[in-house]
Amino acid sequence: KNEVEQSPQNLTAQEGEFITINCSYSVGISALHWLQQHPGGGIVSLFMLSSGKKKHGRLIATINIQEKHSSLHITASHPRDSAVYICAPGSNTGNQFYFGTGTSLTVIP
Amino acid sequence: KAGVTQTPRYLIKTRGQQVTLSCSPISGHRSVSWYQQTPGQGLQFLFEYFSETQRNKGNFPGRFSGRQFSNSRSEMNVSTLELGDSALYLCASSLTTRRADTQYFGPGTRLTVL
Repeated sequence: KNEVEQSPQNLTAQEGEFITINCSYSVGISALHWLQQHPGGGIVSLFMLSSGKKKHGRLIATINIQEKHSSLHITASHPRDSAVYICAPGSNTGNQFYFGTGTSLTVIP
Repeated sequence: KAGVTQTPRYLIKTRGQQVTLSCSPISGHRSVSWYQQTPGQGLQFLFEYFSETQRNKGNFPGRFSGRQFSNSRSEMNVSTLELGDSALYLCASSLTTRRADTQYFGPGTRLTVL
């Protein structure tokens, strides 16, 4: 069973486009993280959300706890945003992280 | 502050062998989690250690084990390697086991089982 569903799986965008990645989860959570993984494997945590909305530069993340849904938006996308973005809800019962399969984003100049 | 370090970065083993991977967390971080990443299954949680105690365990066979030392450094061991164990093994450290804490990931160890 998939506790986390991410969409789309793959996304190609032109530089400057507005991008949205969606994440739906079925587990009860205490927090949800968005991760970025560049080619070569390194993973960076972008956001931690427990409610509402957060913004870092051109990145915005929102979460709706009642609907069990989170979105990651990238405004004015740039080729350096090309990476895999992974949604990671942190369960409030088993106290572990679950992971989406990731969205592979390619931004073309 | 130095980031999370993992050694070795690359490893090639044959079926039936065992392997030990090491993770040094960020100074002051007491929680270390291990993850397996494969193209087919994505990221999967292996286990989490805090203050030398295993706090959580994912759905992996007993061939996968780990431990944490008093300085928070952690090792994971895989015995009787199988071809399907080929993966990128990532560790992440955080201050505590709270899910709201930011996880800082190491660069990973890429294990190839032949």
